[in-house]
Amino acid sequence: DSGVTQTPKHLITATGQRVTLRCSPRSGDLSVYWYQQSLDQGLQFLIQYYNGEERAKGNILERFSAQQFPDLHSELNLSSLELGDSALYFCASSVDIGTLNYGYTFGSGTRLTVV
Amino acid sequence: DAKTTQPNSMESNEEEPVHLPCNHSTISGTDYIHWYRQLPSQGPEYVIHGLTSNVNNRMASLAIAEDRKSSTLILHRATLRDAAVYYCILRDPNTGNQFYFGTGTSLTVIP
Repeated sequence: DSGVTQTPKHLITATGQRVTLRCSPRSGDLSVYWYQQSLDQGLQFLIQYYNGEERAKGNILERFSAQQFPDLHSELNLSSLELGDSALYFCASSVDIGTLNYGYTFGSGTRLTVV
Repeated sequence: DAKTTQPNSMESNEEEPVHLPCNHSTISGTDYIHWYRQLPSQGPEYVIHGLTSNVNNRMASLAIAEDRKSSTLILHRATLRDAAVYYCILRDPNTGNQFYFGTGTSLTVIP
């Protein structure tokens, strides 16, 4: 157990639908990062939050959004789902904003299947 | 972020040492070299990182070339549990940039 909790572990939904993925960071960590891993794209950085504020954006589609709540858990919302959104979605956390060279702790991921 | 180059795949016999190479010829003076690995069906996990000097921890050793244009992750005795994809990543903490994962090296450990 890495200390980063992601729910649900598996999700199957239809095209056009909307889903929410949840992440609880490791205790004491203030930064949350979302990554997408599909077979042909590898691990792609989506977005980072630090202490409730959006810190950085990567290759995140406009149909996707995220937020970090006061208790520091984060949610990734995926809407108007397409078949190509099927992937593993990982959440990672770190104690700092990214400037202190601490590593990331990853969760075990949510496997999303869009049918 | 500066790019790294790793072999797509490598094989090792169980209980033998494994040397996983990484080339990073465009590394800047403030880039740290990080290694993560991803076991099947799991999220990536931190292995080791360093700047200039060789580093050791309970999981592995990191040997960094004197010119820093390449590095080698050393697993001293490969076990079946070490079969994973290993990622070599450069990151400058001063910029606060995220970790960008490439395609990594898929390590197969042969019993």
